[in-house]
Amino acid sequence: SQQGEEDPQALSIQEGENATMNCSYKTSINNLQWYRQNSGRGLVHLILIRSNEREKHSGRLRVTLDTSKKSSSLLITASRAADTASYFCATASNAGGTSYGKLTFGQGTILTVHP
Amino acid sequence: EAQVTQNPRYLITVTGKKLTVTCSQNMNHEYMSWYRQDPGLGLRQIYYSMNVEVTDKGDVPEGYKVSRKEKRNFPLILESPSPNQTSLYFCASRTMNYGYTFGSGTRLTVV
Repeated sequence: SQQGEEDPQALSIQEGENATMNCSYKTSINNLQWYRQNSGRGLVHLILIRSNEREKHSGRLRVTLDTSKKSSSLLITASRAADTASYFCATASNAGGTSYGKLTFGQGTILTVHP
Repeated sequence: EAQVTQNPRYLITVTGKKLTVTCSQNMNHEYMSWYRQDPGLGLRQIYYSMNVEVTDKGDVPEGYKVSRKEKRNFPLILESPSPNQTSLYFCASRTMNYGYTFGSGTRLTVV
């Protein structure tokens, strides 16, 4: 089952512009994470935001989390051609027992930044 | 260097021939997981492990087995591979409240 759903599926922008990607999820979470993947390669962890946090920054990345709406957004400011990649949100279950820590990925947003 | 190492990177095999994809991490992480990635379906979790001898099914466990006898290793076993298991596989590890570190992937083709 897909927990996170990203929006849009694809985003094309010019270098220097900001890129915003959204993620919605369905069930209670412990934390939400964003990952980046260059074509065919392993995913790289970008940022983790806990369920009791509302906003987090890392360099040019800004992540927000709204647990009441079950949604998160990833903002990349002043984008560069090197930011071209697929971006995934992933939710960590809040359930107890052995399901704790299960991480479910969304389908991803393909970001293309044109020089 | 902290990393997750999975082998092989590429594998072509025939239907029914048992195979194992190895995964090893050097970060003393408790959690390890296997995912498969398919076009249009995203990443789907096959199995995950919270620690040694503790494993649980993910979303698509059918046709796969795993074991976690040591903290660093988490092999993925396909007892009788079928063409629908052709996919890109990723192993990953993490510790509590941190993100996953992913391996470089294993591209498996079953003919």
